[in-house]
Amino acid sequence: QKEVEQDPGPLSVPEGAIVSLNCTYSNSAFQYFMWYRQYSRKGPELLMYTYSSGNKEDGRFTAQVDKSSKYISLFIRDSQPSDSATYLCAMNGGFQKLVFGTGTRLLVSP
Amino acid sequence: GAVVSQHPSWVICKSGTSVKIECRSLDFQATTMFWYRQFPKQSLMLMATSNEGSKATYEQGVEKDKFLINHASLTLSTLTVTSAHPEDSSFYICSARDGQNSYEQYFGPGTRLTVT
Repeated sequence: QKEVEQDPGPLSVPEGAIVSLNCTYSNSAFQYFMWYRQYSRKGPELLMYTYSSGNKEDGRFTAQVDKSSKYISLFIRDSQPSDSATYLCAMNGGFQKLVFGTGTRLLVSP
Repeated sequence: GAVVSQHPSWVICKSGTSVKIECRSLDFQATTMFWYRQFPKQSLMLMATSNEGSKATYEQGVEKDKFLINHASLTLSTLTVTSAHPEDSSFYICSARDGQNSYEQYFGPGTRLTVT
């Protein structure tokens, strides 16, 4: 079993839809949770960073962490074609190396 | 803020030659830098972790004599692929952590290496 599981997609939605991206993990020591967006042939860009459980909102993006269920989510409201990219979840227990999900490819059609 | 650059962005080399890739943190000091490799449609694979002024720590299965990492300053780390072979063709990405009190990693734009 992988430490972090993420559906690779692709996930196709129409413009304006609410997108839900998710990851599950098995290591209860993880406390730092991040979401990265990666466009094709580019490096990942840090979108959201959350410590422990709870919600964090930044514009159209909301990150949720449920440590009791070992489940994290990223919601994108009013999705745009420019949001089409691969979204990677990543996490660690502190200064250790990040453990990444496989990434979910999102396609937002106009 | 928190910008990481890589150079070159794209390189083609002949089999048997060596290639050096630079990773720079432009507006912060990076005590720790990471090197990743990514194959098409796959996630990032951590190759090694480097701390300024000390030897890099390589992940299991990564040949340290083939992938030489130098972290000579707080803003520069280099990855040298020695005696490159076609199977070394990949997308190499570095990331940097902003200081000792931050858990966030910022990634460079990546370097696409093609070995012919």
